[in-house]
Amino acid sequence: NAGVTQTPKFQVLKTGQSMTLQCAQDMNHEYMSWYRQDPGMGLRLIHYSVGAGITDQGEVPNGYNVSRSTTEDFPLRLLSAAPSQTSVYFCATQLTYYSNQPQHFGDGTRLSIL
Amino acid sequence: DAKTTQPPSMDCAEGRAANLPCNHSTISGNEYVYWYRQIHSQGPQYIIHGLKNNETNEMASLIITEDRKSSTLILPHATLRDTAVYYCIVRPRDESGTYKYIFGTGTRLKVLA
Repeated sequence: NAGVTQTPKFQVLKTGQSMTLQCAQDMNHEYMSWYRQDPGMGLRLIHYSVGAGITDQGEVPNGYNVSRSTTEDFPLRLLSAAPSQTSVYFCATQLTYYSNQPQHFGDGTRLSIL
Repeated sequence: DAKTTQPPSMDCAEGRAANLPCNHSTISGNEYVYWYRQIHSQGPQYIIHGLKNNETNEMASLIITEDRKSSTLILPHATLRDTAVYYCIVRPRDESGTYKYIFGTGTRLKVLA
């Protein structure tokens, strides 16, 4: 998964804490997105960005904020962590929103909320 | 709701071809079919994609039926390292005009020694 870097790889939080998951890419892709994957399920889209300064909600946006001040970075913020947000989070990029080229995924952040 | 249907699991003997089917009967004329795989809980790894012609790369071949309602991913000589969950994905545009990948639960391929 060269090109998409997610940090941290693992994190444990207490209920009510806030944190930011980082995603950085060096492919100059305009489109970036965040997914979550719960056990035994496919990926669900949280938020996405079609370019710097532009973000929009996906399928499951509640409890998460995003911003896109640069092309390279797309952080995901948990405002007040809840146990239901325990999941594996993946960042993905694509050349442009309308491109038919495939998305590239990071290795994920495994988040546990106690 | 997923726009594709895949069998939940398949086994394949090591060294044999693994043929993974996918049904996408509601696909639109300009929607591509993408295949990814996920090993353990790593990030999804892109394998191949196509529109209507058969495609081949160093990892796999993709066979799309003429009516585009189904496709088959072929791993020509499966190895133990190909054990993974394989996702067949289309990227429809919803009512608001948003494109999004819809991941179903995929096919869990187990390659047997």
